[in-house]
Amino acid sequence: DQQVKQNSPSLSVQEGRISILNCDYTNSMFDYFLWYKKYPAEGPTFLISISSIKDKNEDGRFTVFLNKSAKHLSLHIVPSQPGDSAVYFCAAGNDYKLSFGAGTTVTVRA
Amino acid sequence: DAGVIQSPRHEVTEMGQEVTLRCKPISGHDYLFWYRQTMMRGLELLIYFNNNVPIDDSGMPEDRFSAKMPNASFSTLKIQPSEPRDSAVYFCASSSNNEQFFGPGTRLTVL
Repeated sequence: DQQVKQNSPSLSVQEGRISILNCDYTNSMFDYFLWYKKYPAEGPTFLISISSIKDKNEDGRFTVFLNKSAKHLSLHIVPSQPGDSAVYFCAAGNDYKLSFGAGTTVTVRA
Repeated sequence: DAGVIQSPRHEVTEMGQEVTLRCKPISGHDYLFWYRQTMMRGLELLIYFNNNVPIDDSGMPEDRFSAKMPNASFSTLKIQPSEPRDSAVYFCASSSNNEQFFGPGTRLTVL
């Protein structure tokens, strides 16, 4: 049973605009959340994380928002750049174990 | 540090053959994870180790799959016998905290 869901398989955005990726989870026991970015033929690389006790974490162009009551998190990328074109995975964890969403493929158009 | 190292990067084999995938975690990391990525199921955790001891193997699909970690710098995932439905990309990851570092993956094709 999928505990982490990314309902949008793809997202296309113009360079310079904001990319918003969404993620929903079902298990209230998760105590931290992460976003990973993956390029073809490479492993996922860590992007940004947030603890369940926070509602926002920002790192440069990347901001993650957490809404615990809605069991929803989102990743904002602003401004979007061509190098951001990749697959983005949402992950939720507890006790060092991560559950991943299916991924969202982001394409940044010039 | 070279990061997580996996070998081989690509493996093509015939149904019924034994397949062994290898992983060298980042030095100092005490957690090691094996994942499988498929189009149908996305990225799913197969098994993970802490200090070389298997902690949770509930994701291992069936008895044909086995994993070992004989020491802190090496782990194997073995499939015997392999079947076409095992075709996927297999990732190894290691961590010392909540952030996991992934290897480049092994693309397995079983004909």
